[in-house]
Amino acid sequence: SQQGEEDPQALSIQEGENATMNCSYKTSINNLQWYRQNSGRGLVHLILIRSNEREKHSGRLRVTLDTSKKSSSLLITASRAADTASYFCATAAGNQFYFGTGTSLTVIP
Amino acid sequence: SQTIHQWPATLVQPVGSPLSLECTVEGTSNPNLYWYRQAAGRGLQLLFYSVGIGQISSEVPQNLSASRPQDRQFILSSKKLLLSDSGFYLCAWRGDGNQPQHFGDGTRLSIL
Repeated sequence: SQQGEEDPQALSIQEGENATMNCSYKTSINNLQWYRQNSGRGLVHLILIRSNEREKHSGRLRVTLDTSKKSSSLLITASRAADTASYFCATAAGNQFYFGTGTSLTVIP
Repeated sequence: SQTIHQWPATLVQPVGSPLSLECTVEGTSNPNLYWYRQAAGRGLQLLFYSVGIGQISSEVPQNLSASRPQDRQFILSSKKLLLSDSGFYLCAWRGDGNQPQHFGDGTRLSIL
C-alpha cells in the first residue's frame, strides 16, 4: 500500500506552543499535501510541497520533505485553540491520492 | 469560484437497501473526481476516481459502484447495503497537474 502514516496519532499541547507532526510514505511521489479536518467535516487543503522541494512555508505552517527518507513534517508555530483538528498527509502519484491515518491535535487554551 | 456540493449530509438506511449519494462541482470543467470513505477515527480510503465522463477507476473491490453521467456530477451507488458500508463518505475534486483536492462536507451513512 502507498498509504502514508502520521506520527504521533494524537498530540496535546498548550496554546502558544509549537506542534510537529510527521508523515512517512512508501513509494515515489509527485507531491505531498497536508490537509486539516475539523470533526465531522470535509478536509481542507493546507499546503502542497512538490517532490523537488525541501521546505515550504505558509503563514504559521512549515512543511519539510525528505524524499530520500520518504518522510515529511508539518510544523504549526504559536498554536491556537482553533488549530484543534485532525491533520492528514496525502501522497499523489498520477491521479491517485493516498491519505495517512492522521494526527489528532488538541490545543489547550 | 469553484464549489462542491455533496448530499445528503446524513443518511440512515436498513441493511439490504439501495444507496445513491450525489456530488456536484460548480465553477470548473473536466475536474478529476474522487469518492473516499472514512471510518471513525481513521484515514481516508480511496474508493473511486474519475478523470472524465464515463471513466471510473475502482480502487477497492466492494459492494459499491460509481458513475459519472455528466462532467461535474459523480454518483456513488449500491444495490444492497451491508453493515460494513457504514462510514463517512467524502467527495473531492481537483484540477490537472500538481493541484490539491477540494472536499465536500461529507455524508455520514449509518446502516441499521
